[in-house]
Amino acid sequence: AQSVTQLGSHVSVSEGALVLLRCNYSSSVPPYLFWYVQYPNQGLQLLLKYTTGATLVKGINGFEAEFKKSETSFHLTKPSAHMSDAAEYFCAVTLNNAGNMLTFGGGTRLMVKP
Amino acid sequence: DAGVIQSPRHEVTEMGQEVTLRCKPISGHNSLFWYRQTMMRGLELLIYFNNNVPIDDSGMPEDRFSAKMPNASFSTLKIQPSEPRDSAVYFCASSPGDSPNYGYTFGSGTRLTVV
Repeated sequence: AQSVTQLGSHVSVSEGALVLLRCNYSSSVPPYLFWYVQYPNQGLQLLLKYTTGATLVKGINGFEAEFKKSETSFHLTKPSAHMSDAAEYFCAVTLNNAGNMLTFGGGTRLMVKP
Repeated sequence: DAGVIQSPRHEVTEMGQEVTLRCKPISGHNSLFWYRQTMMRGLELLIYFNNNVPIDDSGMPEDRFSAKMPNASFSTLKIQPSEPRDSAVYFCASSPGDSPNYGYTFGSGTRLTVV
């Protein structure tokens, strides 16, 4: 079975500071990994994804994530936080033998202080 | 493209009433998903359709919940009878294929309140 763990349900950073949101997965086969963002009263939007190839993946709004197989991690980073980054972020995983079914982590709410 | 369209955006109903949530996926997408989001349980997959056929409904909480996809452009999620514990935001998402490579496009959700 696959699972996703997001460490820290709430993360608070100052505007301009580094953003680091942690995601670890469990999988016995190579995973496909995703980060989604949810702004208040909206649906989830795809930020970035890793399927194959380069392990450092760049997404929208300056976010990037690195797939580290040895650590079973897919942490999301952004060098400098903006107020507009305040939202909830979800890590998700699926396996190439699980059809198209995503398993989501519990989410991390990012707060950005002025 | 208008994206995934869900209706209504908000629904308030009394316990025991029937509730129907609607979803129009993106044209050409052949996978459709219904999720429920609550503070306590996070995002839960309820049911997954591929080419209008239910593939996995193991997440449907109980027989009060049913979902249909009569054609490629429309799906419904019905709760009958509704209970206060069904209060949540229900999301529909679609994907262009049955490969995990694509990711999902989510609708804006239906916020259901059962009183």
